[in-house]
Amino acid sequence: KQEVTQIPAALSVPEGENLVLNCSFTDSAIYNLQWFRQDPGKGLTSLLLIQSSQREQTSGRLNASLDKSSGRSTLYIAASQPGDSATYLCAVRNSARQLTFGSGTQLTVLP
Amino acid sequence: SQTIHQWPATLVQPVGSPLSLECTVEGTSNPNLYWYRQAAGRGLQLLFYSVGIGQISSEVPQNLSASRPQDRQFILSSKKLLLSDSGFYLCAWSPDGDSPLHFGNGTRLTVT
Repeated sequence: KQEVTQIPAALSVPEGENLVLNCSFTDSAIYNLQWFRQDPGKGLTSLLLIQSSQREQTSGRLNASLDKSSGRSTLYIAASQPGDSATYLCAVRNSARQLTFGSGTQLTVLP
Repeated sequence: SQTIHQWPATLVQPVGSPLSLECTVEGTSNPNLYWYRQAAGRGLQLLFYSVGIGQISSEVPQNLSASRPQDRQFILSSKKLLLSDSGFYLCAWSPDGDSPLHFGNGTRLTVT
């Protein structure tokens, strides 16, 4: 059974800092991996999707990497802003197209 | 462009009462549809998914049921709510099983 872990559960950084969020998974036989952002009391917003054959995906200040063999993905946020404050979740999809979510990292960017 | 609508945003219901949460998707046809529940401090739990009208798969045994009466409509129901049904319910869609998942804004359900 796939297990997805996100550490730390919470992170606080000053504005302008570059930061990395971590996601690890136990079964490396994944189909793709998706990163989401969730604002308090809201639904999830899709940020990036990485296929199993890809190493990274970029969108603006966000860069997600994938290392299947080690069961890890990172989300890099450059030049963080207070508006980046949210909970970030990763989700791993297996070959049966089933999605397993991590519990998320709650990010606070201090002005 | 595609949009997903989910309502109501919040709901307070007494134990034993029925439940009906509705989700609709616009701008696409034959989407995959999903119902998730999110408990505080925990990851999302898949409750139901559907790949077509009348096709519902249940992931966990529970007090809930789902129906897909129309191509872009997904309904989550219960005949009698339990206290443990309280939570944040999220509807999501994707064009197929390979594409990114897109979520609605969720329904906060409190069973009293």
